[in-house]
Amino acid sequence: DQQVKQNSPSLSVQEGRISILNCDYTNSMFDYFLWYKKYPAEGPTFLISISSIKDKNEDGRFTVFLNKSAKHLSLHIVPSQPGDSAVYFCAAVSEGGSEKLVFGKGTKLTVNP
Amino acid sequence: NAGVTQTPKFRILKIGQSMTLQCTQDMNHNYMYWYRQDPGMGLKLIYYSVGAGITDKGEVPNGYNVSRSTTEDFPLRLELAAPSQTSVYFCASSPRGTQLNEKLFFGSGTQLSVL
Repeated sequence: DQQVKQNSPSLSVQEGRISILNCDYTNSMFDYFLWYKKYPAEGPTFLISISSIKDKNEDGRFTVFLNKSAKHLSLHIVPSQPGDSAVYFCAAVSEGGSEKLVFGKGTKLTVNP
Repeated sequence: NAGVTQTPKFRILKIGQSMTLQCTQDMNHNYMYWYRQDPGMGLKLIYYSVGAGITDKGEVPNGYNVSRSTTEDFPLRLELAAPSQTSVYFCASSPRGTQLNEKLFFGSGTQLSVL
């Protein structure tokens, strides 16, 4: 049973436009959410996170929005750059859930020049 | 800055063979983790450690063993390799763990094929 779902396996956008990556979760106990970015043949690297007490967190070109009632979060990248082309993983953890960070399957973003 | 270092990068095993995947970190992090990523899937936690001498099972521990004798090292042992263990393995570390909303720092992975 997938607790963290990224329903779009891939996304293609033009350079300079907005990229929106979506993530849904089923476990209402999740209270902290993270996005990781992964290039081929490398390990994931942390991108941005959000606590369940917030509905938005911004870091430069990256913004994460959290809608707790819909159990949905999204990552916005504005403007998108070719170097943003990578696989993006959504992950979630619950307080008291041990160290078990739960990952989605990932969305492959391609930013075309 | 070395960060989290995994060796080897690639390995092919025959069914029934054993091997140890090495992981070391130089950031003095207390928490260390082993994840596996199957094709088209998210990362799944195999084992984790909250400090030297302390380990615990993750979501998919069967077929694996770990030990943590030092802060720096967290090796993953496969005793009887099976085709289902074909995957990419990632080691990660964290200063204080995900329960305190700390991010993970990942190694570059070990691609393992069991034939």
